[in-house]
Amino acid sequence: GAGVSQSPSNKVTEKGKDVELRCDPISGHTALYWYRQSLGQGLEFLIYFQGNSAPDKSGLPSDRFSAERTGGSVSTLTIQRTQQEDSAVYLCASSLARGNGYTFGSGTRLTVV
Amino acid sequence: SQQGEEDPQALSIQEGENATMNCSYKTSINNLQWYRQNSGRGLVHLILIRSNEREKHSGRLRVTLDTSKKSSSLLITASRAADTASYFCATDAREYGNKLVFGAGTILRVKS
Repeated sequence: GAGVSQSPSNKVTEKGKDVELRCDPISGHTALYWYRQSLGQGLEFLIYFQGNSAPDKSGLPSDRFSAERTGGSVSTLTIQRTQQEDSAVYLCASSLARGNGYTFGSGTRLTVV
Repeated sequence: SQQGEEDPQALSIQEGENATMNCSYKTSINNLQWYRQNSGRGLVHLILIRSNEREKHSGRLRVTLDTSKKSSSLLITASRAADTASYFCATDAREYGNKLVFGAGTILRVKS
């Protein structure tokens, strides 16, 4: 596609439920990031995929968070047993390669009630 | 502690004035990037400057990089109301695993 597509754009879930967030990067982009951003805050790094290398998961806040990238394209971020502090905007970004600028999706606003 | 920190946290100017935002960082970098964010959603890439570059221009935007001071500045000339947004610097550094680390941002408000 022309840009990075994220779905859903908004998600309201009950505390304790699992959620899956999806990111469709730009075709051919080998690098993919997930960030999250709480209201009025900066971007918090979560996970980074680069080609076929093992992902950098150092930013995942707990073992309730996991992400995968299938076939070097679509990525899903899964949050298990959601908590209210997980409420944030989750942003995905992709790039042709490391060292290039990144294209961001519009994000998924997650609200845990 | 933050790898990249923007200064000021917030800036309010009149349309037509210039806006300058600064970014300081702690380690050697591969490159530094500036992004704009409207309405708390997706970010837009503005300029990437590599560690061996000192200045880059794009339209009304000018970015400088001083690796000896570990700082960068973003200048927006002849600002417009549409420039109202949050601006973030992000660094790509080996010490941080070669991943893109963002600062907390500067909120720019341009009054018409």
